[in-house]
Amino acid sequence: DIQMTQSPSSLSASVGDRVTITCRASQGISNSLAWYQQKPGKAPKLLLYAASRLESGVPSRFSGSGSGTDYTLTISSLQPEDFATYYCQQYYSTPPYTFGQGTKLEIK
Amino acid sequence: EVQLVESGGGLVKPGGSLRLSCAASGFTFSSYSMNWVRQAPGKGLEWVSSISSSSSYIYYADSVKGRFTISRDNAKNSLYLQMNSLRAEDTAVYYCGSGIQLWSTQVWDYWGQGTLVTVSS
Repeated sequence: DIQMTQSPSSLSASVGDRVTITCRASQGISNSLAWYQQKPGKAPKLLLYAASRLESGVPSRFSGSGSGTDYTLTISSLQPEDFATYYCQQYYSTPPYTFGQGTKLEIK
Repeated sequence: EVQLVESGGGLVKPGGSLRLSCAASGFTFSSYSMNWVRQAPGKGLEWVSSISSSSSYIYYADSVKGRFTISRDNAKNSLYLQMNSLRAEDTAVYYCGSGIQLWSTQVWDYWGQGTLVTVSS
């Protein structure tokens, strides 16, 4: 099974900051990577898929990049509503689909 | 409006059984694969199971294989998860989800609100 290692596990930042979260797969996943945002008590929300494609309605301050085994989620200018937990998910080939362990983004 | 509404969660003793349901509306349920994802308290997301639109393809995480059964009733627009031989480590919020706007089996743009399953004596 493909393992996803996400870093950092937590991050403190201020409104207006640029932040980057990284996800590394245990093998190449050919851009088969999605990013989700989850707020406490809520279901995950899809932000990006295919590593860099923005889901409809998601602000353009969110972007994704990467290839092979290494991928990043960048938030260009943090807004108050962005403080949440972020997960990457690989969907290369058939299941199992695996998530990273999550990055909790907190207000500094 | 697309809606996914889970139900059936609750408190069950170790070794017991529970059946979760996910009622779908606002889209052509029979055209889309469906999925269950769970989240233990304070922990991350874990994919549990997937079923194709016609039930031809079914997949399970190793952690639930042989104990859980996913199924669907397209006439009733409903997804199910039969959970047997439950363990404490199955305690989690269970979400159903689907890739409806994206027509994706693997990326999920719609999720239910979740239903909590607690396995404890």
